[in-house]
Amino acid sequence: QITLKESGPTMVKPTQTLTLTCTFSGFSLTTAGLAVGWIRQPPGKAPEWLAFIFWKDDQRYRPSLRTRLTITKDTSKNQVVLIMTKMDPADTATYFCVHLDFWSGHGPLGEFNYWGQGTPVTVSS
Amino acid sequence: DVVLTQSPLSLPVTLGQPASISCNSSQSLADSNGNTYFNWFQQRPGQSPRRLIYKISNRDSGVPDRFSGSGSGTAFTLKISRVEADDFAVYYCMQGTHWPFTFGQGTKMEIK
Repeated sequence: QITLKESGPTMVKPTQTLTLTCTFSGFSLTTAGLAVGWIRQPPGKAPEWLAFIFWKDDQRYRPSLRTRLTITKDTSKNQVVLIMTKMDPADTATYFCVHLDFWSGHGPLGEFNYWGQGTPVTVSS
Repeated sequence: DVVLTQSPLSLPVTLGQPASISCNSSQSLADSNGNTYFNWFQQRPGQSPRRLIYKISNRDSGVPDRFSGSGSGTAFTLKISRVEADDFAVYYCMQGTHWPFTFGQGTKMEIK
């Protein structure tokens, strides 16, 4: 059974750096075709893709946020970390991590579309 | 970025009646292999989005057959044949063909 869970601070101040961790189980990020991604959803708005990291360590970043984002993985801990610098109140959102399977034939979200429960982050002074 | 435009943004529906949501893309969502990675999601308050439909018209496991998806290229539709109480939620289209993947603005289905 695949599960993902996000963790990190619920509040950060403007200009600070946000570090979020996705801890997953039920799969290994050494398996070909797999990736873990991050999506955020501001209150009352649509979700927005941020970044993902492949099993082979390639990364993809949302171009408009490229300079602020870093995604890394620790396969021994089954964790993926997202770092976002220069936080702004506009970054207030619930942040989700998702399991991706590019080789399933179902599209990037794979056959069963696994999401974490999300972690809320508020940016406020 | 690919822009997905949903309509309507608010959809009042009577229980038992059909409902339809459209999603138009700013560019073709077919990749070089002919695959179109277009999805529909349902989101209830306080929950993660749940995928209903993948690759335009394929229902995910456990999704009732009253949900159906259709379309091609840049125009897509989600239809609910007879709306049930459980269906009142926000619906999003999403494309996974071009990075960054993108979602539509969302359609809130409400009881009429």
